Amino acid sequence: GENVEQHPSTLSVQEGDSAVIKCTYSDSASNYFPWYKQELGKRPQLIIDIRSNVGEKKDQRIAVTLNKTAKHFSLHITETQPEDSAVYFCAASWAQGGYNKLIFGAGTRLAVHP
Amino acid sequence: IAGITQAPTSQILAAGRRMTLRCTQDMRHNAMYWYRQDLGLGLRLIHYSNTAGTTGKGEVPDGYSVSRANTDDFPLTLASAVPSQTSVYFCASSEDRGDTQYFGPGTRLTVL
Repeated sequence: GENVEQHPSTLSVQEGDSAVIKCTYSDSASNYFPWYKQELGKRPQLIIDIRSNVGEKKDQRIAVTLNKTAKHFSLHITETQPEDSAVYFCAASWAQGGYNKLIFGAGTRLAVHP
Repeated sequence: IAGITQAPTSQILAAGRRMTLRCTQDMRHNAMYWYRQDLGLGLRLIHYSNTAGTTGKGEVPDGYSVSRANTDDFPLTLASAVPSQTSVYFCASSEDRGDTQYFGPGTRLTVL
């Protein structure tokens, strides 16, 4: 079945550095790739998403790149700040029957140190 | 506008008891979902509903049931709770299937 692998599981950076989280997916038919940020004890919040008809999308300090040939996509956070510390989840859509469901990666715990 | 709400916030439950987790959204979204979140396993889909009156099974449906009598509400029922159902449960909704999903605040359930 569909699988999404996410790396690394933990990431520690200094404030101001960049952070990169990578995900690979198995279903070549996947066409929607959102990224969620989850702070401790809170709900997952969508931070950026990309659809398969584009290769890159940027929103201020956050960008996502998609390589459909290689079936991987990445989250890039530049100029990291302590408030970026959280768990980040990638996901890929998977069509099954009449439903497009999301398969989530296991998450990356990002720590930004002042 | 509240978005998506869930109740209760947390619950401790004895094994074998029946429990219903409530989820309500006021965005008139057609699709709704229930996930469980366990450490190291990310979010796993339990059940979903594409529109009022229809439901479907996700990745881990055993031991859970749902109903979708109207657009706003999507309750999740554990008929006879077991300790392995200890988890954080998130409800989510999207305008239509395949669209961006928005999550509720979650319910932390402990089954003893």
